[in-house]
Amino acid sequence: DQQVKQNSPSLSVQEGRISILNCDYTNSMFDYFLWYKKYPAEGPTFLISISSIKDKNEDGRFTVFLNKSAKHLSLHIVPSQPGDSAVYFCAASAPGSSGDKLTFGTGTRLAVRP
Amino acid sequence: DAGVIQSPRHEVTEMGQEVTLRCKPISGHDYLFWYRQTMMRGLELLIYFNNNVPIDDSGMPEDRFSAKMPNASFSTLKIQPSEPRDSAVYFCASSRPKGLNTEAFFGQGTRLTVV
Repeated sequence: DQQVKQNSPSLSVQEGRISILNCDYTNSMFDYFLWYKKYPAEGPTFLISISSIKDKNEDGRFTVFLNKSAKHLSLHIVPSQPGDSAVYFCAASAPGSSGDKLTFGTGTRLAVRP
Repeated sequence: DAGVIQSPRHEVTEMGQEVTLRCKPISGHDYLFWYRQTMMRGLELLIYFNNNVPIDDSGMPEDRFSAKMPNASFSTLKIQPSEPRDSAVYFCASSRPKGLNTEAFFGQGTRLTVV
């Protein structure tokens, strides 16, 4: 039972254009969402996060949007750069005793073409 | 800080053998997580510890899997006996409590191949 879903296994974008990665979740208790980036042969690294009290969080070229009613979040990268080519994981956590564990999606492989 | 350190980076073993994966979390982090990455399921949480105490092991697939954290700076994940379907990349991660608004930091992973 995937509580966090990334339905697009891969995405290819031209350098300089916008990359939009999508994530859906089913657990309405999730209140904190994160995006991680993973290069081959490395562990995932934190990219950006958003709390459920917000609907947008921006950090440089990266912006995460949260639509709680649709249980959907997205990561926008603009402009996309070849170095952004990686696997991106969406993750979520819920409050309470399980609040410190993250539930991850299956990832989306982004390829940015020069 | 050197970050989360995992060993070995690669492990190839024969079916039926015992496998032990090791992890050193970031100093000062209270939480330690073991994840497994597969193509089908992405990153699955196997077990996590808070202050060396196992909190949730519901993700551990079978009794063949066990994890320990004897002290704040070391954890092991053991598979005994190993099977080919255990082949995956296993990640260890550590973090401070969520209330401190921090994310989990991952090690580089151990790629396990069971033949």
